[in-house]
Amino acid sequence: AQTVTQSQPEMSVQEAETVTLSCTYDTSESDYYLFWYKQPPSRQMILVIRQEAYKQQNATENRFSVNFQKAAKSFSLKISDSQLGDAAMYFCAYRSAYGGGRGADGLTFGKGTHLIIQP
Amino acid sequence: DSGVTQTPKHLITATGQRVTLRCSPRSGDLSVYWYQQSLDQGLQFLIQYYNGEERAKGNILERFSAQQFPDLHSELNLSSLELGDSALYFCASSVDLPGELFFGEGSRLTVL
Repeated sequence: AQTVTQSQPEMSVQEAETVTLSCTYDTSESDYYLFWYKQPPSRQMILVIRQEAYKQQNATENRFSVNFQKAAKSFSLKISDSQLGDAAMYFCAYRSAYGGGRGADGLTFGKGTHLIIQP
Repeated sequence: DSGVTQTPKHLITATGQRVTLRCSPRSGDLSVYWYQQSLDQGLQFLIQYYNGEERAKGNILERFSAQQFPDLHSELNLSSLELGDSALYFCASSVDLPGELFFGEGSRLTVL
């Protein structure tokens, strides 16, 4: 079974600064997807960024980028120019590419990192 | 707006009671997933349905059950409720593969 570990229960950053959230995972599969979801106080789960394991290029979405190290099974999220609206719980998640009847193909989540933005 | 609709948004009930949570997936999505989010357990996968059939079970208690109907909406039934069942219950949907899951806004269940 896959596991996802987020070792930072809480992180704090000054507004406009850069912060990196860590995530490691364990899998024996070669093809999979990795995601960062954001959960603001409203509790809605919002997709921030996704990465396909077969792609070597790191995904970027505006101020959000990832550092995907497949061999190290590491998937960190970098938030540049932090804004007050970035304050939220951030969850790293894994999804197998081998679904279709071979068991659950949903997401395995880490326990989350609470990101605080200091004004 | 993710396109996934969950009702009710909030629910308060007493121990021993039974409740039903409802989820309408995004148009075209055949897979529905149920997750439970509590303070001490994080996001736990409960059960998955694909096109009306159960595909996988996670940490779902025997007191809980779910189904997916022909119109693809899903219901999660929670019975003999206990205080520890108080949590946020999320429904998510997706195409079969690949890609992300799209989450509803959740149903907040409080058991008193």
